[in-house]
Amino acid sequence: QVQLVESGGGLVKPGGSLRLSCAASGFTFSDYYMSWIRQAPGKGLEWVSYISSSGSTIYYADSVKGRFTISRDNAKNSLFLQMNSLRAEDTAVYYCAREPSFDYWGQGTLVTVSS
Amino acid sequence: QSVLTQPPSASGTPGQRVTISCSGSSSNIGTNYVYWYQQLPGTAPKLLIYRNNQRPSGIPDRFSGSKSGTSASLAISGLRSEDETDYYCATWDDSLSGWVFGGGTKLTVL
Repeated sequence: QVQLVESGGGLVKPGGSLRLSCAASGFTFSDYYMSWIRQAPGKGLEWVSYISSSGSTIYYADSVKGRFTISRDNAKNSLFLQMNSLRAEDTAVYYCAREPSFDYWGQGTLVTVSS
Repeated sequence: QSVLTQPPSASGTPGQRVTISCSGSSSNIGTNYVYWYQQLPGTAPKLLIYRNNQRPSGIPDRFSGSKSGTSASLAISGLRSEDETDYYCATWDDSLSGWVFGGGTKLTVL
């Protein structure tokens, strides 16, 4: 069965960095575009970034452009999100989700940016 | 302020039919498919409707989606207590080159 498992979340100080991972299984990872989506505590869903199946096409939300970098390793069935220059407003649960419908989501990993 | 506009709340009684609206623009709903998600507390969102009106396997036919112009709607018929949770619409925005979500609608079953 399809499974997405995020990891790498935690507590980080403003200005710090964190790298999230999403391990995929149960489907041919290299065939699918993937996205990161986040949800601040008590708030709605916010799309963060998208990467094509080969990694050649990437998009970012304006709120993270220039600070976050999405990547993938199809050989290892893994998706990544490198987050730099973190701000308090980046505090959220981060989900990876399978495109094009977001038909599968991981359980999420909590990122807390606080001094 | 979300690009897609949803009512913050909706309500209905058991057995009733309720609809949740999602309003956008020509660059998003007007030209792209709309998706709907249900999110129970403390869990990841779950796909309810894809490509405007298609239901994934396992989603009851009580849930239906529609789209007209720059707006879309999710209808839930035969309302049940377990439907009481949050619902989100989403679509691709050609101008922003990114996905956009509605602010979410909290459904209460009275």
